[in-house]
Amino acid sequence: EDQVTQSPEALRLQEGESSSLNCSYTVSGLRGLFWYRQDPGKGPEFLFTLYSAGEEKEKERLKATLTKKESFLHITAPKPEDSATYLCAVQGTSGTYKYIFGTGTRLKVLA
Amino acid sequence: NAGVTQTPKFRVLKTGQSMTLLCAQDMNHEYMYWYRQDPGMGLRLIHYSVGEGTTAKGEVPDGYNVSRLKKQNFLLGLESAAPSQTSVYFCASSFPTGTGAPLHFGNGTRLTVT
Repeated sequence: EDQVTQSPEALRLQEGESSSLNCSYTVSGLRGLFWYRQDPGKGPEFLFTLYSAGEEKEKERLKATLTKKESFLHITAPKPEDSATYLCAVQGTSGTYKYIFGTGTRLKVLA
Repeated sequence: NAGVTQTPKFRVLKTGQSMTLLCAQDMNHEYMYWYRQDPGMGLRLIHYSVGEGTTAKGEVPDGYNVSRLKKQNFLLGLESAAPSQTSVYFCASSFPTGTGAPLHFGNGTRLTVT
């Protein structure tokens, strides 16, 4: 059964304190692994797609990496505006409509 | 560039009442989806559509119906609302590519059933 587990559930960082969020996944054939940012009262906002192990994507202070079992979202020198919930999802080869979401990591960056 | 638009943003229903949630996308996407998001649970798929005139059940379809009469619109109906349907509902759309295609989400409808 396809599954996604994110850790930690919540993370508090001081401004400038770098850290990583984890997304562990089990899927029967990976079409793509997706990272989203969700602000309170808003829908998830797409950040990255990763397709194969070893791939990396970067956007401003965020860098996503992928192995065969997990993905990391590295946040370098975070700012308070990076505070949000970060969601991970996978799409397997069992169907182009099927996306499995994790429950997210709530990130709070303190000034 | 509106993307995915959902209406209404908020709604309060009494048990047994009905309502329709509207989703519109302007990206010419073939696939559209309805998800619900509840605390402590990941986004769960209610129904989805792979094209105009076609719909299919997702993970949690009971108590909901959908229609896709036009490519750009996807409607979610609750015929007889129950307190268990209190949730935040998100519509999403995507291209059906062979490799992974990201979902694009609207900003949600917060529904409370009393």
